[in-house]
Amino acid sequence: GNSVTQMEGPVTLSEEAFLTINCTYTATGYPSLFWYVQYPGEGLQLLLKATKADDKGSNKGFEATYRKETTSFHLEKGSVQVSDSAVYFCALTNSGYSTLTFGKGTMLLVSP
Amino acid sequence: GAVVSQHPSWVICKSGTSVKIECRSLDFQATTMFWYRQFPKQSLMLMATSNEGSKATYEQGVEKDKFLINHASLTLSTLTVTSAHPEDSSFYICSATGLAGGPGKNIQYFGAGTRLSVL
Repeated sequence: GNSVTQMEGPVTLSEEAFLTINCTYTATGYPSLFWYVQYPGEGLQLLLKATKADDKGSNKGFEATYRKETTSFHLEKGSVQVSDSAVYFCALTNSGYSTLTFGKGTMLLVSP
Repeated sequence: GAVVSQHPSWVICKSGTSVKIECRSLDFQATTMFWYRQFPKQSLMLMATSNEGSKATYEQGVEKDKFLINHASLTLSTLTVTSAHPEDSSFYICSATGLAGGPGKNIQYFGAGTRLSVL
């Protein structure tokens, strides 16, 4: 079956620090990969996605590259802000299906 | 584009009463809607998948008689928690995927969630 593994949090950084949140996956076929962000008390927002190997998803300064050889989709940002504090979920869906498989989420805390 | 509205955002009810949560796709037709439950500091647990005009498919361990799902149109799905008890208190989140050519079949767009507190 499908599974997504994320690094455990919380990840605590100072403002302007470099961020990496690791995500690896197990899936059959050719999954699409996603990062969702959840701000306190809110639902999930799609942050970025990649649908095939070597694709790079990017949005709001965040990036993640679909690495099929390492089955990874690590999230990165060069300079985090306090407003980036949230929980980040890595997820996948198999080609042709809509059902998402989520990782457990990684909380990011950014201090001024 | 691809906005999903969920209502109410917070509801408090007495034990034994029923609560209805609405999930609407505002600017696209949602062929499939999903209902999730999220416990504090945990990931989302898929409860059920509903396709417009057909019965919902429930995940193992989810009581279909307690969590009634209706997807009567391409823009609206409802989750009714029947005879709610304190253990049903949780954060419920819906999501929707669209028709091909719209927001994309494999992309889920999420509502803001509903916090249910059962006294």
